[in-house]
Amino acid sequence: DAGVTQSPTHLIKTRGQQVTLRCSPKSGHDTVSWYQQALGQGPQFIFQYYEEEERQRGNFPDRFSGHQFPNYSSELNVNALLLGDSALYLCASSTLAGGPGEQYFGPGTRLTVT
Amino acid sequence: GDSVTQMEGPVTLSEEAFLTINCTYTATGYPSLFWYVQYPGEGLQLLLKATKADDKGSNKGFEATYRKETTSFHLEKGSVQVSDSAVYFCALSDRSANAGKSTFGDGTTLTVKP
Repeated sequence: DAGVTQSPTHLIKTRGQQVTLRCSPKSGHDTVSWYQQALGQGPQFIFQYYEEEERQRGNFPDRFSGHQFPNYSSELNVNALLLGDSALYLCASSTLAGGPGEQYFGPGTRLTVT
Repeated sequence: GDSVTQMEGPVTLSEEAFLTINCTYTATGYPSLFWYVQYPGEGLQLLLKATKADDKGSNKGFEATYRKETTSFHLEKGSVQVSDSAVYFCALSDRSANAGKSTFGDGTTLTVKP
């Protein structure tokens, strides 16, 4: 079992650009959640996808959007990048029937905006 | 909204010392509580959880008890090892939601010296 995988590992972008991050959930999981972890802080919930639809959303602007594919993998897109978007982006997978908190996290994508 | 407050770090201990990391929370509902651990360069791993008042979660020598009256979930370990050096996050999830949308504290960095 490969667990949750994310790509790329690291990414450097310039202000104003757009970025796409990818996540493959753990085998058997159908729900993907995305979190932003700024340096020295805890993860902040961005949104969650199930059945290819956004089910829940945190306090993030519309510049942050996502997608889930029929194979349950997911993408996080961020448009018009700001310096403040520099962070570790974590993907977590789970099952809809799983208990609260039964999430498995990937290693994250480190995004640096210059 | 929901929030989690952890004791500030960093915490530095000698091997075999006793560990306590304080965590308190505020929640509108009746949440489930978690401790996650993050080793350098890795994603978050669920360390332990408790889903109702007075439950004790335990794993790898770590323990935490869900105290509804004091809204706390302090992490303890009787004898820490160098390999326990990591960042520890306290988190909660609304039990009315499925797995996902966890609220995290800012993390406490633990360094254990030989």
